[in-house]
Amino acid sequence: NAGVTQTPKFQVLKTGQSMTLQCAQDMNHEYMSWYRQDPGMGLRLIHYSVGAGITDQGEVPNGYNVSRSTTEDFPLRLLSAAPSQTSVYFCASSAMGGSEGQETQYFGPGTRLLVL
Amino acid sequence: QQPVQSPQAVILREGEDAVINCSSSKALYSVHWYRQKHGEAPVFLMILLKGGEQKGHEKISASFNEKKQQSSLYLTASQLSYSGTYFCGTDLGGGADGLTFGKGTHLIIQP
Repeated sequence: NAGVTQTPKFQVLKTGQSMTLQCAQDMNHEYMSWYRQDPGMGLRLIHYSVGAGITDQGEVPNGYNVSRSTTEDFPLRLLSAAPSQTSVYFCASSAMGGSEGQETQYFGPGTRLLVL
Repeated sequence: QQPVQSPQAVILREGEDAVINCSSSKALYSVHWYRQKHGEAPVFLMILLKGGEQKGHEKISASFNEKKQQSSLYLTASQLSYSGTYFCGTDLGGGADGLTFGKGTHLIIQP
């Protein structure tokens, strides 16, 4: 199994440009999420999905869109990039826990994004 | 609300012990611990559930005090490979809202 894969690994954008960060998993996990990581801030949840066709906002959703058309894929779209979106982006997936909690999250290798 | 981790950083010599704490102001269903090495993705270490159940790493132990909503990660007889940044992620339960991570504790192990 490849686990969680992300593309691209690095990207440089100009302010106002759009792009899609790709995320795929081959573990048949229902739950997928996107985090951004900034120095000294830890990991902050952007959007998450509990299954195909279902998405919801996390802590810092502004400026980002997501969709979940299949179980395997969960792309993150930046519609109009801003310098404040310079960050490292991690995608994660996990099996759905019971009615109360989260299971182990498996992280992808990350995408390093620089917006000029 | 983001959990608070302490200390922010710690430097040890190989073989010494370390304790990393994670505190929340909210009632938690579980606490997750991850380790991240520079330039890499976070890697799962352990989950502690309310009620005492633990799932995870053989050589790293942790505790979860439900009354205080605090978890501690114990690294004993530290090895060079333990170096990295440790994050706790808190889960309030009730569904699939994701984890809320602390800002991390930087651990440096020197030979």
